[in-house]
Amino acid sequence: DIQMTQSPSSLSASVGDRVTITCRASQNIKNYVNWYQHKPGKAPKLLIYAASSLQSGVPSRLSGSGSGTDFALTISSLQPEDFATYYCQQTYGALEWTFGQGTKVEIK
Amino acid sequence: EVQLVESGGGLVQPGGSLRLSCAASGFIFSNYWMTWVRQAPGKGLEWVANIKQDGNEKYYVGSLKGRVTISRDNARNSLYLQVNSLRAEDAAVYYCARITYYYVGATYEVPGIDYWGQGTLVTVSS
Repeated sequence: DIQMTQSPSSLSASVGDRVTITCRASQNIKNYVNWYQHKPGKAPKLLIYAASSLQSGVPSRLSGSGSGTDFALTISSLQPEDFATYYCQQTYGALEWTFGQGTKVEIK
Repeated sequence: EVQLVESGGGLVQPGGSLRLSCAASGFIFSNYWMTWVRQAPGKGLEWVANIKQDGNEKYYVGSLKGRVTISRDNARNSLYLQVNSLRAEDAAVYYCARITYYYVGATYEVPGIDYWGQGTLVTVSS
C-alpha cells in the first residue's frame, strides 16, 4: 500500500504568515493527491484536488503543487479561520486510499 | 443542498458488532461512489472503505478486511457500514462521505471526497 508522509506534524504561525505543508508518497502517484482542512467537531473540507486544483469556494490564498512523489499545500497569508488540521490524501488506484498523518496549524 | 447524516454509533462491548447508517439527500445518490472514513480520538483521518454506484465494487483498508462490510441501498438513498468483532482501537468518529471524480485535462479523473457528514461516534468499552 502507498504511504503518505506528511510534515511537519504541527506548526505555529501568525496571521499573515506564509505556510507550507508537505507530503511525500512512497511511490509515484502522478497527481492523485487531495488536501483537506479539519476543525474540531466539524466535517473535513476538501480544499485542493488533483494536487493543484482549487475546490469551488476555497479562497485563492490556498494553493497546491507537486506531482509524482512530492506535494505541497501553501497558504500565502494565514488568516484566523485557517487555524486547523490539514491532511493530504492519495487516491491513486482503487484498492486502498491513505491519508497523511496531519498537520496542526496553531496560532503563535 | 447535499446532506449526509450518520447514525448507529454508540457504546459497544469488545467483540460486539455495529451497523452504521448514512442517509443521503440533495443529490442523485445512485450516481456516486461513496466512502467511510474514521478518526480515532487524538488521531488522524483513516480511510475505511469505498463502494461503487451499483454496489458491485467494494474496497477496504487492509487492517479491517474481514471485519467490515460496506453496503448501500440506492432505493433508500442510504449507505451502511457493518463492523464486527469490535476492538478498543475501532473507537472513533465514523464519517460517511461522497466521492466525486474530477476530470484532469479531459484525459483522466482524480477522485476526491467532496461532501462529508458530521460523523457518528463509536465507543468500544466493557
